[in-house]
Amino acid sequence: GAVVSQHPSWVICKSGTSVKIECRSLDFQATTMFWYRQFPKQSLMLMATSNEGSKATYEQGVEKDKFLINHASLTLSTLTVTSAHPEDSSFYICSARDLAGGVVTGELFFGEGSRLTVL
Amino acid sequence: GQNIDQPTEMTATEGAIVQINCTYQTSGFNGLFWYQQHAGEAPTFLSYNVLDGLEEKGRFSSFLSRSKGYSYLLLKELQMKDSASYLCAVRDRPPGNTGKLIFGQGTTLQVKP
Repeated sequence: GAVVSQHPSWVICKSGTSVKIECRSLDFQATTMFWYRQFPKQSLMLMATSNEGSKATYEQGVEKDKFLINHASLTLSTLTVTSAHPEDSSFYICSARDLAGGVVTGELFFGEGSRLTVL
Repeated sequence: GQNIDQPTEMTATEGAIVQINCTYQTSGFNGLFWYQQHAGEAPTFLSYNVLDGLEEKGRFSSFLSRSKGYSYLLLKELQMKDSASYLCAVRDRPPGNTGKLIFGQGTTLQVKP
């Protein structure tokens, strides 16, 4: 299947700082990427849909000014958690769809996830 | 609204068969997915159903009934490595129309010797 890579895998930061997480599609182009957040023992909650070359679409209740998403190229989307607080500590996972390779199912391929801990 | 329900936890014995159910009520439907997620890792794709019926893939099978808003994932010949969370997800629109996946809360399966 298609490969999606996230970086960093782990990040610890101080409260009030900003953290950037990168999501790359390694062997395919992704016009759309999705950012999810997962708290311990809970399911994935969609935060936003990242569209290449245009503004991201945020889910209800997700602050767009706090979670900045940039999808500048067909293989890279970034999520920046601004002015992070301890309650932002979570597992952030990106995913992308390879429409060319997975045209039948349109399945999502997930990155490895980034675990953010805000002290 | 969107609602996807799964049991929170299940336990089964190595070598046995287990069925994980999923019911859904969503504003749109364009396919149902099952993903496996081991602790601390990203989900991996298991199966996809868009038409009614059973899809078999090795030890794993998935069933869909659109009229009942119901699916199940069947795991046969359970192995210890099958201990993981199993996520049911519904896509609300076609992928070409940026259809997004809505996930259930996941079922944590523990396989015991």
